[in-house]
Amino acid sequence: EVQLVESGGGLVQPGGSLRLSCAASGFTFSSYWMHWVRQAPGKGLVWVSRINSDGSSTSYADSVKGRFTISRDNAKNTLYLQMNSLRAEDTAVYYCARGQGSGSYWWVYWGQGTLVTVSS
Amino acid sequence: QSALTQPASVSGSPGQSITISCTGTSSDVGSYNLVSWYQQHPGKAPKLMIYEGSKRPSGVSNRFSGSKSGNTASLTISGLQAEDEADYYCCSYAGSSTLGYVFGTGTKVTVL
Repeated sequence: EVQLVESGGGLVQPGGSLRLSCAASGFTFSSYWMHWVRQAPGKGLVWVSRINSDGSSTSYADSVKGRFTISRDNAKNTLYLQMNSLRAEDTAVYYCARGQGSGSYWWVYWGQGTLVTVSS
Repeated sequence: QSALTQPASVSGSPGQSITISCTGTSSDVGSYNLVSWYQQHPGKAPKLMIYEGSKRPSGVSNRFSGSKSGNTASLTISGLQAEDEADYYCCSYAGSSTLGYVFGTGTKVTVL
């Protein structure tokens, strides 16, 4: 059974940093592109970032470019999102997600999400 | 990259059919047959309902169907049931540069 479990969320002050993790199990993690998607309280879904299977290629939404870094450790079956220079508008539930195929453009599997709150 | 435009809410009675539109541009919906649709119940993670515009994943009811015309994609729910009450989001691939993916604004479906 495919499982994605996010962790690392919490309360952080504006300008601070946080690192999210997504522990994957039930599939060959190193074969799949992985994504982060976020959802502000009461708002819609927003794609954040994507990393390819070996970590050599990444892409970001304009709103987080230069502040967030996606990475992965295939030996540990774990996806990361390093978030720096956090702003109030980054407050959201952050989901990690996996596509159907190794590089598919839609997401079949989602974690339960981890809440990040940016506030003083 | 602006969000795709969806109606804020759509409602219908049990057994009826409803359609949710998702309007983008020639740079996203109009350029790629890569629209997906997600159902989200309160406090839950999204669930994939349609991919590649009209394909249903295994396990998704055939009451859900998708289509696309030009820059607008649509999700139709036929035989509306109480458990269909949820938020629905479309999503489109928007190019291999830094455009990534763009979601719709979301539609609240209410079963009357």
